Amino acid sequence: GQNIDQPTEMTATEGAIVQINCTYQTSGFNGLFWYQQHAGEAPTFLSYNVLDGLEEKGRFSSFLSRSKGYSYLLLKELQMKDSASYLCAVRGGGDDYKLSFGAGTTVTVRA
Amino acid sequence: ETGVTQTPRHLVMGMTNKKSLKCEQHLGHNAMYWYKQSAKKPLELMFVYSLEERVENNSVPSRFSPECPNSSHLFLHLHTLQPEDSALYLCASSQEKGIGGYTFGSGTRLTVV
Repeated sequence: GQNIDQPTEMTATEGAIVQINCTYQTSGFNGLFWYQQHAGEAPTFLSYNVLDGLEEKGRFSSFLSRSKGYSYLLLKELQMKDSASYLCAVRGGGDDYKLSFGAGTTVTVRA
Repeated sequence: ETGVTQTPRHLVMGMTNKKSLKCEQHLGHNAMYWYKQSAKKPLELMFVYSLEERVENNSVPSRFSPECPNSSHLFLHLHTLQPEDSALYLCASSQEKGIGGYTFGSGTRLTVV
């Protein structure tokens, strides 16, 4: 089975940094994804990690440690528009191309 | 616009009604998925279609019936639903194999009364 854990809610101030952690226990591993979902909208792709280390993309960075079953999404220079739910998802190993999702972390950015 | 379009965006139906949700993708993907999203819960995978063949049915009640007439279209037929079926239903598509993730539609917000 797949078990993916992330915090339910986080609050931060505009301009600050927030780190969203995700831990996973899955049968096989073939990549970890982060998605952003604004209320009433489609989840949209943010990042993909398959090797250990940090992937940076503008204000957003994602880190992976396969040995620890751990990832984080780092949001820098927070803006009000970053208020959204952030979903951690893991793709299983072998031919399993399906994604298993965590429950999502709702980030609220305050002025 | 993500390339995956779902209609309707909102649906209110009685427990005795029959309705259908539609999903259409123009990305050339060959796998399509139905997910149920309830508040504070992980996305629940309902059905997977790969190359128009249903490859997974995750113990979904028979009151949900999927249909995939071609690789670009996916339907979810609903009948005699229960109030606990109220949720956001998301459609997604992907390449069956490869490093890409999913592209999601905006979902249908379903309320069963």
